[in-house]
Amino acid sequence: EVQVVESGGDLVQPGGSLRLSCLISGVSIRSSWMTWVRQAPGKGLEWVANINEDETQKNYVASVKGRFTISRDNAKSSVFLQMSSLRGDDTALYYCARGGWLLEYWGQGTLVTVSP
Amino acid sequence: DIQLTQSPSSLSASVGDRVTITCRASQSIANYLNWLQQRPGRAPRVLIFATSSLEAEVPSRFSGDASGTDFTLTITSLQPEDFATYSCQQYYSLPYTFGQGTTVEIK
Repeated sequence: EVQVVESGGDLVQPGGSLRLSCLISGVSIRSSWMTWVRQAPGKGLEWVANINEDETQKNYVASVKGRFTISRDNAKSSVFLQMSSLRGDDTALYYCARGGWLLEYWGQGTLVTVSP
Repeated sequence: DIQLTQSPSSLSASVGDRVTITCRASQSIANYLNWLQQRPGRAPRVLIFATSSLEAEVPSRFSGDASGTDFTLTITSLQPEDFATYSCQQYYSLPYTFGQGTTVEIK
């Protein structure tokens, strides 16, 4: 059974930093792109960032470029999202998914709340 | 960025009804569109990829089609487990974007 588990979400003040982690089991990620998607309360899904198999390609939505960094550790079947200079509009449930154009496996998400 | 506009934003339907959801792209995206389902409290899952290809284990009552920049998801004979939010997603160009979602509620 494939399991995707995100962690690291928390309440953080504006301007603060947070590192999200995603652990995938039951399937290899070595040959797969990995993606972060977020969903603000009551809103639709928003694609945030993705990373290719060997970290040579990383793509970001404009609103997080320069503030968020995606990375991975294939040996640990993990993907990370380092977030800095957090703002109120970053408040969302953050999902990790295996895949680039086809997001096959998703986790349940980890909640990031940015508030004073 | 490519904008995807879904209609309607929500709808009420009964078990057994036929339901059609539309997703309009702001420019040509060829057939690079997926449909996802999100049930309350559960992770999203892909139902249809590349406009009309059914993901494994997805019931055949789900289907996808396109005409130009208009894409449709059709559910024939709605089942109780189909009450959920449906989103389209384009992967023609980065950043990949989603529609705002269509919630299918029980009438």
